[in-house]
Amino acid sequence: AQSVTQPDIHITVSEGASLELRCNYSYGATPYLFWYVQSPGQGLQLLLKYFSGDTLVQGIKGFEAEFKRSQSSFNLRKPSVHWSDAAEYFCAVGAGGSYIPTFGRGTSLIVHP
Amino acid sequence: KAGVTQTPRYLIKTRGQQVTLSCSPISGHRSVSWYQQTPGQGLQFLFEYFSETQRNKGNFPGRFSGRQFSNSRSEMNVSTLELGDSALYLCASSPGEAATYEQYFGPGTRLTVT
Repeated sequence: AQSVTQPDIHITVSEGASLELRCNYSYGATPYLFWYVQSPGQGLQLLLKYFSGDTLVQGIKGFEAEFKRSQSSFNLRKPSVHWSDAAEYFCAVGAGGSYIPTFGRGTSLIVHP
Repeated sequence: KAGVTQTPRYLIKTRGQQVTLSCSPISGHRSVSWYQQTPGQGLQFLFEYFSETQRNKGNFPGRFSGRQFSNSRSEMNVSTLELGDSALYLCASSPGEAATYEQYFGPGTRLTVT
């Protein structure tokens, strides 16, 4: 079975600073990887996904993520954070035949002005 | 296309009562999943339906049940409510198998049990 670890419960950055949120997964084969964002009081929204091909994936809102098989990681990055990026971020891993993905516990992003 | 809709958005119930939550997926999506989200436990999977069949169930007591209709709309029911059932219940739909396709989430139903 697959598993996901988001090591950071909270991350605080200043507006305009760069951001990297960590995600490590455990799965024997090539997984399907997702990043979702949840604003307060809302459902989750897909930021980006990786299935195969280019290991650097571009998403919405200026986010990107890089799949590193050797490190079993799929870290989310943004070069310059905006105050509106303050939210909860979830990494998820899926595998064919398992029907539903496994979500990490989430990382809460706090943005200081 | 319209997004995933959930009704009601907010609900207050008393311990021992039962509740039914509704979810309308995006048109054409056949997979519907339900999650419970709480500050302490995070996002926990409840069940997943595909073409009216429950394919997966999370580790929740039998008080939690669900179903999917032929038009892919789904309902979940919680009987004999407990204080610990207070949570945000999220529904998500997917165009295919949820593990390999992206999920589209509704805004959730905030259930408060008093």
